[in-house]
Amino acid sequence: AQKVTQAQTEISVVEKEDVTLDCVYETRDTTYYLFWYKQPPSGELVFLIRRNSFDEQNEISGRYSWNFQKSTSSFNFTITASQVVDSAVYFCALSVYNNNDMRFGAGTRLTVKP
Amino acid sequence: GAGVSQTPSNKVTEKGKYVELRCDPISGHTALYWYRQSLGQGPEFLIYFQGTGAADDSGLPNDRFFAVRPEGSVSTLKIQRTERGDSAVYLCASSPGQGAGGYTFGSGTRLTVV
Repeated sequence: AQKVTQAQTEISVVEKEDVTLDCVYETRDTTYYLFWYKQPPSGELVFLIRRNSFDEQNEISGRYSWNFQKSTSSFNFTITASQVVDSAVYFCALSVYNNNDMRFGAGTRLTVKP
Repeated sequence: GAGVSQTPSNKVTEKGKYVELRCDPISGHTALYWYRQSLGQGPEFLIYFQGTGAADDSGLPNDRFFAVRPEGSVSTLKIQRTERGDSAVYLCASSPGQGAGGYTFGSGTRLTVV
């Protein structure tokens, strides 16, 4: 069975602080994809990144970076120098190859205060 | 269109009534997904279309829920005999093909059953 756990329900930081959102996943499949989505107050889910299970290389995109570690089944997301506009709910998700059931975690609500 | 469009954005209905929720995917996207998001939770998979056919409807909670995509573009999610527990945000997503990931989500329809 597939499962995604985001243990942090809410995080509050002050602008310019770095913040890491944790994601732990479970699957018995060897081929899978991991995702992060952002859901701002408008409600729309915004795709941030997809990573396949064979690519453990960490990725950096501007202020965003992702740390994928198969050994600990984690796919953590770090925002450097956070900004108020980063305030949103962030979801981690898991999809097994050729399976349409993308499983989402419960989400982490990030509040960045000015 | 430029994005995934969902109508209506909000729907209030009385318990026992029938409702239809519409999704207009990105032009050319063959894959279409319906998800349901309850308050404080991550989206849950309902059904997946590849073209006109429902390739995977394993997430539909019961036979009161049904979805169609007759021409391989617009999809309608239909809920019969609505119950208060059906209240949630219903999200639609589309992608160029199965397993491509990085779905583009619409803003959702907030359904409230009173």
